[in-house]
Amino acid sequence: GQNIDQPTEMTATEGAIVQINCTYQTSGFNGLFWYQQHAGEAPTFLSYNVLDGLEEKGRFSSFLSRSKGYSYLLLKELQMKDSASYLCAVRDDNYQLIWGAGTKLIIKP
Amino acid sequence: IAGITQAPTSQILAAGRRMTLRCTQDMRHNAMYWYRQDLGLGLRLIHYSNTAGTTGKGEVPDGYSVSRANTDDFPLTLASAVPSQTSVYFCASSDSAGSSYGYTFGSGTRLTVV
Repeated sequence: GQNIDQPTEMTATEGAIVQINCTYQTSGFNGLFWYQQHAGEAPTFLSYNVLDGLEEKGRFSSFLSRSKGYSYLLLKELQMKDSASYLCAVRDDNYQLIWGAGTKLIIKP
Repeated sequence: IAGITQAPTSQILAAGRRMTLRCTQDMRHNAMYWYRQDLGLGLRLIHYSNTAGTTGKGEVPDGYSVSRANTDDFPLTLASAVPSQTSVYFCASSDSAGSSYGYTFGSGTRLTVV
């Protein structure tokens, strides 16, 4: 079966760095996405990785290792507004997105 | 309209009733999707459409139907609602099934079936 695993909840301090991990087992691989979802709102696109390595976008970076079926989202200089759920999704060989259940990130002052 | 518009925002529906959730996008995206999101579960694909005139079944299609008569509109119909269909429903679109730009999501419809 297809499976995306990510921690259910993480807590971090304002100004710090946090890494949210995602491991996957899917039928094929055509890219990995990270989305941010604030409570009661729609998911919004953060990043896309299709090749191994690190993609950096401001305070957010995403890493991919296809051989290990592993990705992480790195958030630097955490701000209170970063409190949200972070969703990992993999596009399979049918070009459909398989979604993890999301990681709820709590930022404390 | 900018992006994707979903209606209604929320609805309480009696079991057995028929309901259509509306989704309209103005980005001329080819691909559109309907997801449901339940607490503790990832987004689950109900139906999708890679281009106007075509539709496909996702992971959880039973009890739902869709149509794609044109590029902009992708309504989701519950023929006879049941309590297990209580969920938050998101419509999404992308310029193509293989896009690297991700999906754009609507603001969601919170549906309660009683």
